[in-house]
Amino acid sequence: GQQLNQSPQSMFIQEGEDVSMNCTSSSIFNTWLWYKQDPGEGPVLLIALYKAGELTSNGRLTAQFGITRKDSFLNISASIPSDVGIYFCAGLSNTGNQFYFGTGTSLTVIP
Amino acid sequence: DSGVTQTPKHLITATGQRVTLRCSPRSGDLSVYWYQQSLDQGLQFLIQYYNGEERAKGNILERFSAQQFPDLHSELNLSSLELGDSALYFCASSVVGQGSQFFGPGTRLTVL
Repeated sequence: GQQLNQSPQSMFIQEGEDVSMNCTSSSIFNTWLWYKQDPGEGPVLLIALYKAGELTSNGRLTAQFGITRKDSFLNISASIPSDVGIYFCAGLSNTGNQFYFGTGTSLTVIP
Repeated sequence: DSGVTQTPKHLITATGQRVTLRCSPRSGDLSVYWYQQSLDQGLQFLIQYYNGEERAKGNILERFSAQQFPDLHSELNLSSLELGDSALYFCASSVVGQGSQFFGPGTRLTVL
């Protein structure tokens, strides 16, 4: 099936630092979504992107839909301890109705 | 709170048994998706329903089946359970078949 490459796999950062993670695909996507998941909980939608080149912010989070439609990145500025969790990207292929999920980026923020 | 509800929250059963997981989508959402998440794994798409009809199928085993009822709630049936079926099962819903998905809190299934 479709693979989404998400990197990095894990990050350990100091509180206050900025964070960047990205997802790439071998095929074109129509929609990119970014989620955060806390242990044992359901993923929570952070940002949705629907157009190539779109740059969207949600508080300290900023995400962009790549111009090639094959990638997306998520930035977190001035990280805080509650940013800890696993971040997933998800993409909707332009050939079907299925969302594909990245393997996740585990973020640890050191106070 | 995403507005998506799932029951039960926890389920412990034995190998060979059959269980049913239930999901109620957000009000107004027509599409329901089921995902499996094993320990330290990403989300594996199982199946999608849109307004009662099966829309897309992912890596769903033949021992698993699902349906969406006229009131739009959905059930995922898992039969002949194996130890490897132990996982978190999530339901998500969206307004249309290609919109942003909102996830429920999940059902943690433990097969002993």
